Amino acid sequence: DVKVTQSSRYLVKRTGEKVFLECVQDMDHENMFWYRQDPGLGLRLIYFSYDVKMKEKGDIPEGYSVSREKKERFSLILESASTNQTSMYLCASSLEPIRGLQPQHFGDGTRLSIL
Amino acid sequence: AQTVTQSQPEMSVQEAETVTLSCTYDTSESDYYLFWYKQPPSRQMILVIRQEAYKQQNATENRFSVNFQKAAKSFSLKISDSQLGDAAMYFCAYRRFTGTASKLTFGTGTRLQVTL
Repeated sequence: DVKVTQSSRYLVKRTGEKVFLECVQDMDHENMFWYRQDPGLGLRLIYFSYDVKMKEKGDIPEGYSVSREKKERFSLILESASTNQTSMYLCASSLEPIRGLQPQHFGDGTRLSIL
Repeated sequence: AQTVTQSQPEMSVQEAETVTLSCTYDTSESDYYLFWYKQPPSRQMILVIRQEAYKQQNATENRFSVNFQKAAKSFSLKISDSQLGDAAMYFCAYRRFTGTASKLTFGTGTRLQVTL
């Protein structure tokens, strides 16, 4: 089974802090994703990566950055945390299809509170 | 840009009964993939069922089946013989047929309650 592990289930940080959320997958997947989940808004893509050191902005990248130095690890960085970044953050990974149906596999999520 | 709409924020079903969750989407593409994901309370999001748009036959996975109406851009999920373990948030998602990284566009979700 694919395992996607997020480093923290719950995290509390202060406004202005630099926050790191870590995600590791164990199935040699090319693609990794960071989403935030908010009630009534569903999941919104922040950033994704299709290879080591490669990244692309998703739908809501403002205030975030990412790092992928190794294939199995994808980090989400809040450069200067703000209260409107309080949310559930989900990491996912998938194989890169040349042409095919590859589902995304999700971690348990990190519930981040910014005070 | 593609959009996915789930018009039912909450649904309720009695155990052993059947429930249908609705999903509509907007796209100008002819080939794409559609998914239903399930997120149980405080647990991991998991894939329930998937459908390729070029296949006319509706996908089925045990008690879960879809009604895919391509012309109407509708992709509803039917859960038969509902069980207490089916209680969860359900998300409908769209993926383009080609392109890198298999990006998904999600709907806003439907919370399903299962009652005795």
